[in-house]
Amino acid sequence: AQSVTQPDIHITVSEGASLELRCNYSYGATPYLFWYVQSPGQGLQLLLKYFSGDTLVQGIKGFEAEFKRSQSSFNLRKPSVHWSDAAEYFCAVGPPLNSGGYQKVTFGTGTKLQVIP
Amino acid sequence: KAGVTQTPRYLIKTRGQQVTLSCSPISGHRSVSWYQQTPGQGLQFLFEYFSETQRNKGNFPGRFSGRQFSNSRSEMNVSTLELGDSALYLCASSPGPGQGSSHTQYFGPGTRLTVL
Repeated sequence: AQSVTQPDIHITVSEGASLELRCNYSYGATPYLFWYVQSPGQGLQLLLKYFSGDTLVQGIKGFEAEFKRSQSSFNLRKPSVHWSDAAEYFCAVGPPLNSGGYQKVTFGTGTKLQVIP
Repeated sequence: KAGVTQTPRYLIKTRGQQVTLSCSPISGHRSVSWYQQTPGQGLQFLFEYFSETQRNKGNFPGRFSGRQFSNSRSEMNVSTLELGDSALYLCASSPGPGQGSSHTQYFGPGTRLTVL
């Protein structure tokens, strides 16, 4: 069964510092990979996704993520964090495009990001 | 395109009552998934509908049910409400199997249910 691990429950960074949020997945093949962000009391917003091709994926709000097959990881990065980036971030994995069927998307437990001035 | 809409946004019920939540997916999307989010349990998958049929189901009791209509709109129902059902209920739509970016989910703002 597919699974996603976000080992960091809570991360605090200073405004202007770089950020890396970790995500590891378990899946038999190369799955779809996603990062979502959630502000308090809101729904989840898609930041970026990886299906195939270039392993470095650019997303919205200056975020990027790198797919590393050998490490089964899909870490999210941002060079310089802004106070408005404070939110909860979710990594998710879904079945590959050609897998057919209706396997569900699995979400990690989330990482809460605090940004200090 | 309009995003995913959920109604109502906020709801207060008492134990034992039942509730129905509604979700309208993005136009052209045929798959709708429901999630329950609580501080203690995080984001938990409830079920997924595609073409009016439930395709996947999470580990929730039978009090939680759903359906999807021919226009892809979906409803979920919770009967005999318990205090522990207080949560943010999120709906997500996606194109559905066999379509481009089939599993990319787009979320609505959620319905905040409070059970007293």
